[in-house]
Amino acid sequence: AQSVTQPDIHITVSEGASLELRCNYSYGATPYLFWYVQSPGQGLQLLLKYFSGDTLVQGIKGFEAEFKRSQSSFNLRKPSVHWSDAAEYFCAVGVRYGGSQGNLIFGKGTKLSVKP
Amino acid sequence: KAGVTQTPRYLIKTRGQQVTLSCSPISGHRSVSWYQQTPGQGLQFLFEYFSETQRNKGNFPGRFSGRQFSNSRSEMNVSTLELGDSALYLCASSITAPYNEQFFGPGTRLTVL
Repeated sequence: AQSVTQPDIHITVSEGASLELRCNYSYGATPYLFWYVQSPGQGLQLLLKYFSGDTLVQGIKGFEAEFKRSQSSFNLRKPSVHWSDAAEYFCAVGVRYGGSQGNLIFGKGTKLSVKP
Repeated sequence: KAGVTQTPRYLIKTRGQQVTLSCSPISGHRSVSWYQQTPGQGLQFLFEYFSETQRNKGNFPGRFSGRQFSNSRSEMNVSTLELGDSALYLCASSITAPYNEQFFGPGTRLTVL
């Protein structure tokens, strides 16, 4: 069955420190992978996506993610965290059922807190 | 280009009532998906509509239903509300295929008392 696992429920980092959020997926075909961010009481904003090609993808707000097929992982990274990055982060896989039918399956999310 | 809009933003209902939530997708987007977000279950897929047809449905009871209009606007309805239906309901739109990239609205916060 398709699934997404985000092992870390909550992570706290100091402002200016580097960040890595982990994501593992289970999907039989080539995955379409996404990272979304959600601020309290808001919808989800797409940070970046991977469909194919270069396994290191760049996103908005200085985020990047690396697709590693051998590890079924798609970890999100940022070299220097800002206080405004405090939010909840969701990894998702796009599941395809044929044609253009499908949907996103999300991980449970990782809440990021930033210490001053 | 305007983003995905959802109305109302907040809603309070009592058990047994029914509720209708509305979603207007980004102009030109024909696929609309609905998700339920709760602290315990996270983000769960409800259903997806494309060209007024439900193409895909998640594992929710029949009390949850939806529809899409010819202008791609969508509504979801929950009948006979239960306390467990309290959640943030998110609508997302995409051009054609929901697994490519979805753009989310701000959500409707439903509280069932």
